Amino acid sequence: AQTVTQSQPEMSVQEAETVTLSCTYDTSESDYYLFWYKQPPSRQMILVIRQEAYKQQNATENRFSVNFQKAAKSFSLKISDSQLGDAAMYFCAYRSIQGAQKLVFGQGTRLTINP
Amino acid sequence: GAGVSQSPSNKVTEKGKDVELRCDPISGHTALYWYRQRLGQGLEFLIYFQGNSAPDKSGLPSDRFSAERTGESVSTLTIQRTQQEDSAVYLCASSLTRDSYSPLHFGNGTRLTVT
Repeated sequence: AQTVTQSQPEMSVQEAETVTLSCTYDTSESDYYLFWYKQPPSRQMILVIRQEAYKQQNATENRFSVNFQKAAKSFSLKISDSQLGDAAMYFCAYRSIQGAQKLVFGQGTRLTINP
Repeated sequence: GAGVSQSPSNKVTEKGKDVELRCDPISGHTALYWYRQRLGQGLEFLIYFQGNSAPDKSGLPSDRFSAERTGESVSTLTIQRTQQEDSAVYLCASSLTRDSYSPLHFGNGTRLTVT
């Protein structure tokens, strides 16, 4: 079974600075998808960015980008020019292309933005 | 509606009582997932529905948990004889297809408190 590990329970960053959230995963599959979701206090999970494992190019969405290292099974999220609205729980997730394709989540990282 | 709707938003129940949680997915979304999130934890997969296929119940923690979905519409998650360890946020998500790249859209969840 696949597992996802987020080793940073909490992170903080100064407003306008850059922060990187770590994620590693374990799988025997060669093709899969990886996601970062944000969960603000409203509880709703919001998709931040996604990456296809067969693509070498790192995904980018505005201020959010990933560093995908397939051999190392690492998928970190970089947030540039941090804003107060970025404060939330961030979850890394793995999704197989086989079976039910359920998302397997990490334990999350709580990100605080200091003004 | 425009998004995934869950009701009730909060539910407090006494130990031993049954509860029913409701999820209205986005119209046209064929896949529907239920997840459980304990306080400060990641999301645990519970059950997955895809069209008229047999549901994937592999994540249900005990036989006190069950879920139904009528076609591609509303789903209900039922917990019988609730226990204090059932206290958590129950999140529902839907996606347009079972394609792994199709993102999951989450509702705001139901916070269940068992006293």
